[in-house]
Amino acid sequence: SQTIHQWPATLVQPVGSPLSLECTVEGTSNPNLYWYRQAAGRGLQLLFYSVGIGQISSEVPQNLSASRPQDRQFILSSKKLLLSDSGFYLCAWTGVSRDTQYFGPGTRLTVL
Amino acid sequence: KNEVEQSPQNLTAQEGEFITINCSYSVGISALHWLQQHPGGGIVSLFMLSSGKKKHGRLIATINIQEKHSSLHITASHPRDSAVYICAVNGNQFYFGTGTSLTVIP
Repeated sequence: SQTIHQWPATLVQPVGSPLSLECTVEGTSNPNLYWYRQAAGRGLQLLFYSVGIGQISSEVPQNLSASRPQDRQFILSSKKLLLSDSGFYLCAWTGVSRDTQYFGPGTRLTVL
Repeated sequence: KNEVEQSPQNLTAQEGEFITINCSYSVGISALHWLQQHPGGGIVSLFMLSSGKKKHGRLIATINIQEKHSSLHITASHPRDSAVYICAVNGNQFYFGTGTSLTVIP
């Protein structure tokens, strides 16, 4: 069966520090991968999606970036965090048919 | 305007009550999803609908494609149903509602 992992589960970082969040998927190949952010009291916002290794599409201009170095690995990064980057970050995957999204457990990021 | 609108935003119910959460969308879709987000943040998929009605235990989801509207019903609500319920649609990408926060009081 397929599983999706995210780490860390929680993170507290100072403003201006770098960020690296990792997401890996097991049990499937060539998944479509997604990074979402959920700010406090708001809905899910699509940040990046990837249909293959090295293929990244960005939905929202920001100081975040994403990379997909391997088929089942998706990384969200920042060189310098802002206070507004605080939120709950979710990774998700779908198969080629894109019918159902499966979400990871999420990373709660607090930028102080 | 959001592509997906949910109502109500917040809902408090007594245990045993029948609950309805509504979702309207404005884009063409291939499917609609109801998701449940637990207090810890984890999200699980409850239903995927492209037409008609689906039932799973005390949960019922309906969709009217012509009216671009879906409802999630919970019968005999229980405190463990307390969560945020999110409507999402497959358009040219996934669009999400802002969620309905449900609290069921014993």
